Amino acid sequence: AQTVTQSQPEMSVQEAETVTLSCTYDTSENNYYLFWYKQPPSRQMILVIRQEAYKQQNATENRFSVNFQKAAKSFSLKISDSQLGDTAMYFCAFLNPGSARQLTFGSGTQLTVLP
Amino acid sequence: GAVVSQHPSWVICKSGTSVKIECRSLDFQATTMFWYRQFPKQSLMLMATSNEGSKATYEQGVEKDKFLINHASLTLSTLTVTSAHPEDSSFYICSGGRLRSTEAFFGQGTRLTVV
Repeated sequence: AQTVTQSQPEMSVQEAETVTLSCTYDTSENNYYLFWYKQPPSRQMILVIRQEAYKQQNATENRFSVNFQKAAKSFSLKISDSQLGDTAMYFCAFLNPGSARQLTFGSGTQLTVLP
Repeated sequence: GAVVSQHPSWVICKSGTSVKIECRSLDFQATTMFWYRQFPKQSLMLMATSNEGSKATYEQGVEKDKFLINHASLTLSTLTVTSAHPEDSSFYICSGGRLRSTEAFFGQGTRLTVV
């Protein structure tokens, strides 16, 4: 079974600054996917970024990028130029494609962007 | 991206009554639907997985007779909370998956309050 750990329950960052959210996971699989989801106060789950484990290159999506360290089983999210709209709960998630596409979520990190 | 429409967004019901929550995939065929429960400031907890035309697979500790899941078509899945009690009050979220796709598409969630 997979586990996903987010050790930072809460974080804050000043607007326009950069923040990094941590995530580690445990799996015996070699092929898998990792995701960061954002859940703003509306509680709609929004996909932020995705990483395929077989790709060495770190995924980027505009201001969002990841640092994927497969050997260390680490998958951190970096948000650059933080904006007030980035305030949300962020969940790291693991997907084993062979497991009926069932996501395993971390406990979440509440990020607050301060004006 | 694909859209999953979840209704109602919120509902208040009396203890002992049943409540039905619907999730519709608007522009894709959801071969699999996942149902989650989320308590305040906590992560998503998978309740059950349903495949179109099959019986749902429930996670350990989830009462299948209390949380009835129907996935009769590729565009509609429903969760019925039967004989609801105040402890069933929570936020319920569905997500749909497409065949051969790793991406999950989330509904907007339903806040259930049982009084």
